[in-house]
Amino acid sequence: GESVGLHLPTLSVQEGDNSIINCAYSNSASDYFIWYKQESGKGPQFIIDIRSNMDKRQGQRVTVLLNKTVKHLSLQIAATQPGDSAVYFCAENWGLGGYGGSQGNLIFGKGTKLSVKP
Amino acid sequence: GAGVSQSPRYKVAKRGQDVALRCDPISGHVSLFWYQQALGQGPEFLTYFQNEAQLDKSGLPSDRFFAERPEGSVSTLKIQRTQQEDSAVYLCASSLDSPLNSGNTIYFGEGSWLTVV
Repeated sequence: GESVGLHLPTLSVQEGDNSIINCAYSNSASDYFIWYKQESGKGPQFIIDIRSNMDKRQGQRVTVLLNKTVKHLSLQIAATQPGDSAVYFCAENWGLGGYGGSQGNLIFGKGTKLSVKP
Repeated sequence: GAGVSQSPRYKVAKRGQDVALRCDPISGHVSLFWYQQALGQGPEFLTYFQNEAQLDKSGLPSDRFFAERPEGSVSTLKIQRTQQEDSAVYLCASSLDSPLNSGNTIYFGEGSWLTVV
């Protein structure tokens, strides 16, 4: 079936370095993507989102890149800090702009665990 | 509070027991979602409400699972005759409106951790 997956299950980086977390999706109808951060014992926390009519979006220290040609999504974290240590999930949704799509049915990948070494 | 609130945070149930999990969405949020997250996995969609209407329940794993939102605000996820495979974190989320877009993203609660023994 169609799904969202991650290339790297774990990522270890040095404090201050940039981190890149990758995600592949297979549903060509997906038109909205979100990155979530989940710390141990907590719910997913929204980081940044992007629509399919964009290929890049920047937030505070984070950038999401979308390559629809190869169905690839990435999250870049600049100057990674120990507080960034968590599991990161990408999620996809389709039907943006209308009620015929998946609406609340976000499809999540398995997650990438980011560990930041001081 | 400002966020999605869930209770109980932790629940241990004996196999066969019924459980009820409560969710208070962010005030004014029209859409409410329930997700199930097994250990080491990403959240999986269970059901979705727009106000009091349950528009999608395609993710509910069996007829032992039932969700309601009678007044379009607080929601309850009920699991009857719990089984060990029901052990998971049950996440509630809400969004201002639907469909989702950059202004209406989904915000999650801390989850209710259910362990069936």
